[in-house]
Amino acid sequence: NAGVTQTPKFRVLKTGQSMTLLCAQDMNHEYMYWYRQDPGMGLRLIHYSVGEGTTAKGEVPDGYNVSRLKKQNFLLGLESAAPSQTSVYFCASSYSWADTQYFGPGTRLTVL
Amino acid sequence: GNSVTQMEGPVTLSEEAFLTINCTYTATGYPSLFWYVQYPGEGLQLLLKATKADDKGSNKGFEATYRKETTSFHLEKGSVQVSDSAVYFCALSDSTGANNLFFGTGTRLTVIP
Repeated sequence: NAGVTQTPKFRVLKTGQSMTLLCAQDMNHEYMYWYRQDPGMGLRLIHYSVGEGTTAKGEVPDGYNVSRLKKQNFLLGLESAAPSQTSVYFCASSYSWADTQYFGPGTRLTVL
Repeated sequence: GNSVTQMEGPVTLSEEAFLTINCTYTATGYPSLFWYVQYPGEGLQLLLKATKADDKGSNKGFEATYRKETTSFHLEKGSVQVSDSAVYFCALSDSTGANNLFFGTGTRLTVIP
């Protein structure tokens, strides 16, 4: 039982490049979330999903897209990376809306 | 709206010292309150939570009481250890269906032997 895993752990991009971050969970959770963590700030919600095939915007969705084609996976895409997207990205999942969120280890992304 | 204000750090304590990290919140409805801990190089882990007023969450010697009258959820531990060195985040979950978490800015705790 791996819990929540994230791929890759580190990535460096040039401005304008695209990439996809993968989050996978093996706990059969319905809800999945993408957060970003910036220095001096708490985690901020980018997008979330309340079930397979659904996505919704969080607090800071601009510049990101997501997909939840399979229940266990939640993908975060950057179509044209910008330096302002340099951050640590965390994925989380929960069984239902009232349950504890479980976090992955994070992906550190640098955009030059 | 929903927001969490957390004691700024960093905090440096000697081993066996008493710890308090202050957290106050603003929320609509009846939020649940959480403390998460992030050890170096790792993701966040739930430390404790409280779902209604006057509830006390506790885990690993840490405690926090949900105080509706003062909109606070301060984290305390009577005797910290070196292994408690980490970043601590206070958070609230709104009472809507999406379980969105709103986080404070985090407080870095360093415990020295």
